[in-house]
Amino acid sequence: EPEVTQTPSHQVTQMGQEVILRCVPISNHLYFYWYRQILGQKVEFLVSFYNNEISEKSEIFDDQFSVERPDGSNFTLKIRSTKLEDSAMYFCASVGTRNSPLHFGNGTRLTVT
Amino acid sequence: DQQVKQNSPSLSVQEGRISILNCDYTNSMFDYFLWYKKYPAEGPTFLISISSIKDKNEDGRFTVFLNKSAKHLSLHIVPSQPGDSAVYFCAALSNRDDKIIFGKGTRLHILP
Repeated sequence: EPEVTQTPSHQVTQMGQEVILRCVPISNHLYFYWYRQILGQKVEFLVSFYNNEISEKSEIFDDQFSVERPDGSNFTLKIRSTKLEDSAMYFCASVGTRNSPLHFGNGTRLTVT
Repeated sequence: DQQVKQNSPSLSVQEGRISILNCDYTNSMFDYFLWYKKYPAEGPTFLISISSIKDKNEDGRFTVFLNKSAKHLSLHIVPSQPGDSAVYFCAALSNRDDKIIFGKGTRLHILP
């Protein structure tokens, strides 16, 4: 069964550095999402992306965050200047049609030191 | 603002018995509800869903019940098996929005 893949599985970075989290959604899916889960807390919506543009974003997704689909397969989340509170699991998800269950990747654990 | 609430952070159930996971929501615009299961070091996996036009949906050992007037849904697993030990997330979606809102999750332990 096709799956969403995320790399790296764990990223350690210093505060103030830029990170790029990578995702390869399921190939025929059209809607892409980033969620994050801070340890012990709920899974939070960050951003949705459709037709090469952001369709919705949360208040967490401020100017230091950006998303890109640079080619036909990758979907990336960039954090420009990381903060300690950005440490979390970041999950990419995709879906073929709206209001269908999302397919999640296994996540990237980001640790900001 | 917790639009989707799972008030039990954990639940322990004997193998073979019924597990009941509860979820409450506050947003009356939600019209589609999902349950996801998550193992450590993996992403959430879709389990079962229900549309607001129904009050029950069944898939094998898993049944989801929706009580719209009470803004409450529950997931029943029967019989519970050791592999069901995981964190279960309740999630909701509104037709107007483009995002799924998750609860905090309930950790289910199936005891031998």
